[in-house]
Amino acid sequence: GDSVTQMEGPVTLSEEAFLTINCTYTATGYPSLFWYVQYPGEGLQLLLKATKADDKGSNKGFEATYRKETTSFHLEKGSVQVSDSAVYFCALSATSGTYKYIFGTGTRLKVLA
Amino acid sequence: EPEVTQTPSHQVTQMGQEVILRCVPISNHLYFYWYRQILGQKVEFLVSFYNNEISEKSEIFDDQFSVERPDGSNFTLKIRSTKLEDSAMYFCASSDRNGGPGELFFGEGSRLTVL
Repeated sequence: GDSVTQMEGPVTLSEEAFLTINCTYTATGYPSLFWYVQYPGEGLQLLLKATKADDKGSNKGFEATYRKETTSFHLEKGSVQVSDSAVYFCALSATSGTYKYIFGTGTRLKVLA
Repeated sequence: EPEVTQTPSHQVTQMGQEVILRCVPISNHLYFYWYRQILGQKVEFLVSFYNNEISEKSEIFDDQFSVERPDGSNFTLKIRSTKLEDSAMYFCASSDRNGGPGELFFGEGSRLTVL
């Protein structure tokens, strides 16, 4: 079945460092791909999405490119801030049935001042 | 901006008690979902609901769980006899989908603590 594999955390960075969080997927067909962010004590917020190969999603300085050849959707940000500290979830939208989302395990990011 | 709302935000219950978690999806959405997240762990799919019936459910969604859309606006998740391992954050989501994969809009979640 469809699945998402996400790099283990936690990831600890200094402010202004470069961030990469790896995400790869397995799916039959061509899923839509998403990154969600969860701040402490809050719900899931959509950060960015891409619906087809080579699409780049971007928001708040974060970006991710849908790479069909490597089945990846890595999240990047050039310069992180303390306020980016959160848990980041990669997800795909199943390509059949009810189009439910399948989430990765989440990666906790901690940014130090 | 329309949003998915969930109540209660936090519920504490005794093991064996029934719990109902409520959700008001975005008004023109037709597809509804429940997910759960055990503390610090992954977000897991429980069930999807369309046209007044369950369209897909996971192995987690056993006979202790049920969902209902009683009045055309609310979407509820009932746990008949709670167990300690049901302690988790439960997220409701909805989508309009329009014939293909659409964005899921999530509520803020209901935290369930079973003692």
